[in-house]
Parts: sequence; C-alpha cells; structure tokens
Amino acid sequence: EVVLTQSPATLSLSPGEGATLSCRASQNVANYLAWYQQKPGQGPRLLIYDASNRATGIPARFSGSGSGTDFTLTISSLEPEDFALYYCQQRSTWPLITFGQGTRLEIK
Amino acid sequence: QVQLQEAGPGLVKPSETLSLTCTVSGGSFNHYYWSWIRQPPGKGLEWIGYVYRGSTNYNPSLKSRVTISRDTSQNQFSLRVTSVTAADTAVYYCARVPGIAVAGAQYYFDNWGQGTLVIVSS
Repeated sequence: EVVLTQSPATLSLSPGEGATLSCRASQNVANYLAWYQQKPGQGPRLLIYDASNRATGIPARFSGSGSGTDFTLTISSLEPEDFALYYCQQRSTWPLITFGQGTRLEIK
Repeated sequence: QVQLQEAGPGLVKPSETLSLTCTVSGGSFNHYYWSWIRQPPGKGLEWIGYVYRGSTNYNPSLKSRVTISRDTSQNQFSLRVTSVTAADTAVYYCARVPGIAVAGAQYYFDNWGQGTLVIVSS
C-alpha cells in the first residue's frame, strides 16, 4: 500500500498570505496525485489532479507541483473561504487508491 | 451539474448490516466508477470500493463484508456492509470517478455527496 504523509498537520496563516502544503509518497506514484479541499459538513472537492491540473471551476490561486514522491499544493493568496482541511490522494495503484491524513489550514 | 445524495439509517446495531443508497442526478451513469468512501470521526478517508458497468472492486481490508451494487433504472448505487462493529462508525460518502472514456480527471473522485453519518451502537 502506498502511504501518503502530509505536512504540516496544521498550518496557521492569515488571509492574503501564501500557503504551501506538502504530500510525500512512500513509493513512486509518477504524477498520479490529486488534492482535495474539505469543509465541515461537506464532501471533499477536487482541486488538482495529475499533480498539476486544476479541476473544473478551481481558482487560479490554487496550483500543484511535483512528481515521483514529493508533491506540493500552493495557494498564492489565501481567501477566507480557503481555510479548510486538505487531503492528497494517489491513484498510481488504482483501484487501490490511498489518501493522506490531511492538513488543516486555519486562520491565524 | 451532477449531484450525489446518500441515504440510509443513521444508527445500526453491532453484528447487523449497514445499507446505504446513493442517488445520482444530473449526469450519466455510463463511463464512471461509482464509489463509496468512509471517514471515521476525527480520522482520514478510506476507499471502500466501486461498481463499474456491473463489475465491482473492493478494498481488501473490507472485501469479505462489503457489497456494492447499482440500479441504473433508478440512477442509484448501493452499499452493504455486514457484521458491523463500532469500528464501522463513520461518515459514508458516495463519489463519482471518471473512467478512461471521459476527458479530464480520470480515476479521481470528481464529484462527492455530502456524506451521511452512520453510528454503530446498541
């Protein structure tokens, strides 16, 4: 099983600041990695797929990068609605996909 | 815009069977893997399995207790988990995964339901 380790567990920032979230895979997943945003009481929303492609309707302030085992989600300038939980997910071993444990982005 | 909605009992007794249904509106059933994922309180996301064109695939950790089926006439797919314990307490989500014939986010969860909490307790 591919283990995804996200860091940090919690990130405290202010609106307008930039955010960098990391996801490390226990083995090479090529570029088969996605990022999701989850808000309380809602299902996750797909933000980024195949490491760097924005999903439909996702603002340009969200960007993804990386390949192999190290990946990054960058939010260029935080809006109030961006404070949420973020998960990475790999599909290199489809259908045995796995998720990271999440990073909580909170308002400082 | 496709929408997914989970439905089912919020409380199930230990050793009994958990049954949930997901209704899909606003989209086609074809070319997609219809999946279930769960999230225990305070924990991360766990993929349970999917149904695709009548075939299924399950997480090996749950395979012996899980059945996923579909009813295309009703635009629904369902989850059954037998012999539940407290460890099965979770928010259960249904989600859609585009297959190879769909442009875009193939093999990722591109649409989710809002989730339904199922508590296993006597």
